[in-house]
Amino acid sequence: RKEVEQDPGPFNVPEGATVAFNCTYSNSASQSFFWYRQDCRKEPKLLMSVYSSGNEDGRFTAQLNRASQYISLLIRDSKLSDSATYLCVVNYEGSQGNLIFGKGTKLSVKP
Amino acid sequence: DTGVSQDPRHKITKRGQNVTFRCDPISEHNRLYWYRQTLGQGPEFLTYFQNEAQLEKSRLLSDRFSAERPKGSFSTLEIQRTEQGDSAMYLCASTFGNNEQFFGPGTRLTVL
Repeated sequence: RKEVEQDPGPFNVPEGATVAFNCTYSNSASQSFFWYRQDCRKEPKLLMSVYSSGNEDGRFTAQLNRASQYISLLIRDSKLSDSATYLCVVNYEGSQGNLIFGKGTKLSVKP
Repeated sequence: DTGVSQDPRHKITKRGQNVTFRCDPISEHNRLYWYRQTLGQGPEFLTYFQNEAQLEKSRLLSDRFSAERPKGSFSTLEIQRTEQGDSAMYLCASTFGNNEQFFGPGTRLTVL
């Protein structure tokens, strides 16, 4: 089993739609959680960290359920510019910061 | 540009050749990471430096791979006797402490 698993994509949605991505992680020692965004043929960039209490940044909301080892990302009122691959990322206590990435879920927002 | 830079951006080589990639981290970032990303996959951790010390290596890093960060600034990743399975994007990231990792644009390697 992969350490970080994400919804298979691609997700094709119209502009203005709400879309949710789910992710599960297998190692209960996971300590920090992130969503990264990666545009085609570009490097990953941090979208947001994910906190136990849940957190929101504009149209983006991230949730963490440690008991279920589950992370989610909700995008509201999606824009054409949201089209990208969204990577679920964790790191473990004592891992010295090296990140464990999921395969990513591709989002395509259509006009 | 004060971000992470990598050189070259693209490299095409023949199987069996040696290649070397360079990463220049953000100034004053003490931690530097190398990752590898193949098509349809997320990046996978290869190795990590804190200053000049290489502190962790993934089992993905076979003995054909070697990385250095001699003065705690730029880093090089060398692959000897390249194989077709080495074709991938090689990403470098840097950070200070446990803060956000900033990624470079990557070096795309194609082994023919």
